[in-house]
Amino acid sequence: AQKVTQAQTEISVVEKEDVTLDCVYETRDTTYYLFWYKQPPSGELVFLIRRNSFDEQNEISGRYSWNFQKSTSSFNFTITASQVVDSAVYFCALIVTSGTYKYIFGTGTRLKVLA
Amino acid sequence: SQTIHQWPATLVQPVGSPLSLECTVEGTSNPNLYWYRQAAGRGLQLLFYSVGIGQISSEVPQNLSASRPQDRQFILSSKKLLLSDSGFYLCAWSVGGSLQYFGPGTRLTVT
Repeated sequence: AQKVTQAQTEISVVEKEDVTLDCVYETRDTTYYLFWYKQPPSGELVFLIRRNSFDEQNEISGRYSWNFQKSTSSFNFTITASQVVDSAVYFCALIVTSGTYKYIFGTGTRLKVLA
Repeated sequence: SQTIHQWPATLVQPVGSPLSLECTVEGTSNPNLYWYRQAAGRGLQLLFYSVGIGQISSEVPQNLSASRPQDRQFILSSKKLLLSDSGFYLCAWSVGGSLQYFGPGTRLTVT
């Protein structure tokens, strides 16, 4: 069975601090994808990144960076120099490629960035 | 470019009333379509998915149903709403791959 765990329910930081959101996944499949989505107060899910199971390279996009480590089954997300606009709920998700591409979502981490 | 629409944006319905939420996708053909529900302060739960017209798979037993009368239209329905049906309903689509794109959502309150 597949599972995604986001142990941090809520995190509060002061603007300009760095913050890391943790994501731990479980799957027996060797081919899978991992995702991060952002859900601002409006509710719509905004796609941030997709990473396949064969690509362990870390990625940086502006203030965002992602650390994928298969050895620890983790796909952590770091925001550098956080801003108030980063306040949102962040979801980590897993899809295995055997089957019908059904997302398994974590329960989300609510990030509050205080001015 | 592809866009996904959901309506209504918000809905307040009494217990026992029927429900119909609609989702349409533009700019793509033969998408996979999905309905998710997010209860207050909770994660997202997949309710239904469809790989083609008339093909519906249910993930969670409940008093909701889904239909896909046209290629790019996905409808979520209920004959009698329960209080526990309150939540934020998101429709999503994907084509030929793993990435799903989500609609703006419908916030349903059952009173």
